[in-house]
Amino acid sequence: DTAVSQTPKYLVTQMGNDKSIKCEQNLGHDTMYWYKQDSKKFLKIMFSYNNKELIINETVPNRFSPKSPDKAHLNLHINSLELGDSAVYFCASSPYPAANEKLFFGSGTQLSVL
Amino acid sequence: AQSVAQPEDQVNVAEGNPLTVKCTYSVSGNPYLFWYVQYPNRGLQFLLKYITGDNLVKGSYGFEAEFNKSQTSFHLKKPSALVSDSALYFCAVRVGGGYQKVTFGTGTKLQVIP
Repeated sequence: DTAVSQTPKYLVTQMGNDKSIKCEQNLGHDTMYWYKQDSKKFLKIMFSYNNKELIINETVPNRFSPKSPDKAHLNLHINSLELGDSAVYFCASSPYPAANEKLFFGSGTQLSVL
Repeated sequence: AQSVAQPEDQVNVAEGNPLTVKCTYSVSGNPYLFWYVQYPNRGLQFLLKYITGDNLVKGSYGFEAEFNKSQTSFHLKKPSALVSDSALYFCAVRVGGGYQKVTFGTGTKLQVIP
């Protein structure tokens, strides 16, 4: 009964490939997020969706494309992977995008681009 | 623009001693402040938050944090550290109004020494 689950947990791939990471939450939340954590553990938001609509889009290369088929799912597709994309990607959710809402995180997907 | 600073990359404390993990913030407007903990190979877990009201906030696992508006600080504290508290701690800030992103600090590694 994992609240926020993402797959795969580990992803090892070659430069230039295209890959996807999937995220699902069973908390009934309206808002979902993708965060990137680099090798120094710095955590930065990439995207946020509220009820399937994009509400936050940080300065992220166009190679990254989020898709939210319904409010319980937020997938991340990455085209033409580069070495610098290696990181841990976290999915998160919150009941609403309100400022006082805490975030619920998945356990992360460690992406290694060779 | 909002920002969060965690001035210490690592904090070492002996088991049973009190611990403090420091956080200062910079925002335009009233801040909503959060602490999260990350255990190895896990996603972030919510510890506590300050929204308004009492400056001393109590959270999970015996942690508390004190909001100090004049010093723009939100330090995390615990009276008696446990070895199991060893983890990476993130301070985060968000400002109310509209769809606002959460900004995380760079994280502080807490090492509790037996």
